[in-house]
Amino acid sequence: SQKIEQNSEALNIQEGKTATLTCNYTNYSPAYLQWYRQDPGRGPVFLLLIRENEKEKRKERLKVTFDTTLKQSLFHITASQPADSATYLCALDSGSGTYKYIFGTGTRLKVLA
Amino acid sequence: ETGVTQTPRHLVMGMTNKKSLKCEQHLGHNAMYWYKQSAKKPLELMFVYSLEERVENNSVPSRFSPECPNSSHLFLHLHTLQPEDSALYLCASSQEVIGGRSNEQFFGPGTRLTVL
Repeated sequence: SQKIEQNSEALNIQEGKTATLTCNYTNYSPAYLQWYRQDPGRGPVFLLLIRENEKEKRKERLKVTFDTTLKQSLFHITASQPADSATYLCALDSGSGTYKYIFGTGTRLKVLA
Repeated sequence: ETGVTQTPRHLVMGMTNKKSLKCEQHLGHNAMYWYKQSAKKPLELMFVYSLEERVENNSVPSRFSPECPNSSHLFLHLHTLQPEDSALYLCASSQEVIGGRSNEQFFGPGTRLTVL
């Protein structure tokens, strides 16, 4: 069955360092992968979308990579700030040609001042 | 503000009650979604409406009944729920391209539902 894995353990890093979050998937061939940020008690907020034929996508301090051979996406936040503390979700299109995205459980990031 | 509003933000109901969750999007999108988010579980897609027509129903129990009267409004009618239905219910919208695989989704703040 289709499965997405994100590190369920919280990630603590020091302010100014680069945070790297991982999203692995199995039994999928997604054409699109998205990353969202979710703060406590709020809905997810879209950050970046990357297509299967794109190796890397950047937006300000954010960078996403998509390796379809390894079946993995990495999400980087450079020069991290305490305000970056949140849960980050990856989501993959189900490949069925419909509107269905499958979400991971998310990784909680805490940036320490 | 994401352009998607949900009411109420919090709801406590007994197992025999009937209640409804409301979602409204002000983005001109043509697709709307209901998701359930439980602690330590991934977002679960419940229903998808595209152009007011239900296109996805993920084996959701019949005690959850969606309604999409127009492209801007989405309801989730609740009836005889169970305590395990307690969760955060999220509404989202997106602009879909026919035959496409979705752009980003814009989520509302959610309704925190507690079933006693």
